[in-house]
Amino acid sequence: EVQLVESGGGLIQPGGSLRLSCAAPGLIVGTNYMSWVRRAPGKGLEWVAIIYSGGTTYYADSVKGRFTISRDNSKNTLYLQMNSLRVEDTAVYYCATVRPGSGSYLFDDWGQGTMVTVSS
Amino acid sequence: SYVLTQPPSVSVAPGKTARIACGGNNIGTKSVHWYQQRPGRAPVLVISYDSDRPSGIPGRFSGSNSGNTATLTISRVEAGDEADYYCQLWDSSSDHWVFGGGTKLTVL
Repeated sequence: EVQLVESGGGLIQPGGSLRLSCAAPGLIVGTNYMSWVRRAPGKGLEWVAIIYSGGTTYYADSVKGRFTISRDNSKNTLYLQMNSLRVEDTAVYYCATVRPGSGSYLFDDWGQGTMVTVSS
Repeated sequence: SYVLTQPPSVSVAPGKTARIACGGNNIGTKSVHWYQQRPGRAPVLVISYDSDRPSGIPGRFSGSNSGNTATLTISRVEAGDEADYYCQLWDSSSDHWVFGGGTKLTVL
């Protein structure tokens, strides 16, 4: 079974920056599609960003221009750089593998999540 | 962008059948996936590509998709099925991944 371990969450003031990490022992980050999904308190799941094995990235409209998804193949780690944070970015952030298929993509394996709280 | 609509809550007695709907424009032409999220836990894929059941998921879970509605059906509901359930698809027109708002299943 794939193990994904997120870290880097915490309390940050509005306008601040934070970088989340997702370590993935047991799989090669650089050859997989990887994504970040979040769940705000009292809300549902929201897709945040994805990086394809070839390096192509896509972002949700709510974070485009503020968040950057990347990976370090030498460290086998996925990242989410979050800048200009807003109160509404408060959520548990999950790292997930993405399985491409016939005309669709699904989220296969998930980490346990890391909590980000944006508050003054 | 594409919108998926789910009822906020569904309640069912143990042993009965729960049906959770996911509405979207011509959703029957797209592939829908379903996730279960128990409190404090990570989501788990329970149905892929409308009706495929991943390894380890009980046969009580099934799915269908036609017209403007996809449906997750849980037969012989157990207390352990109490969780939030989400439908999800990939919107090829925008390269966005979309989740429904989620449905809280309560076992009475």
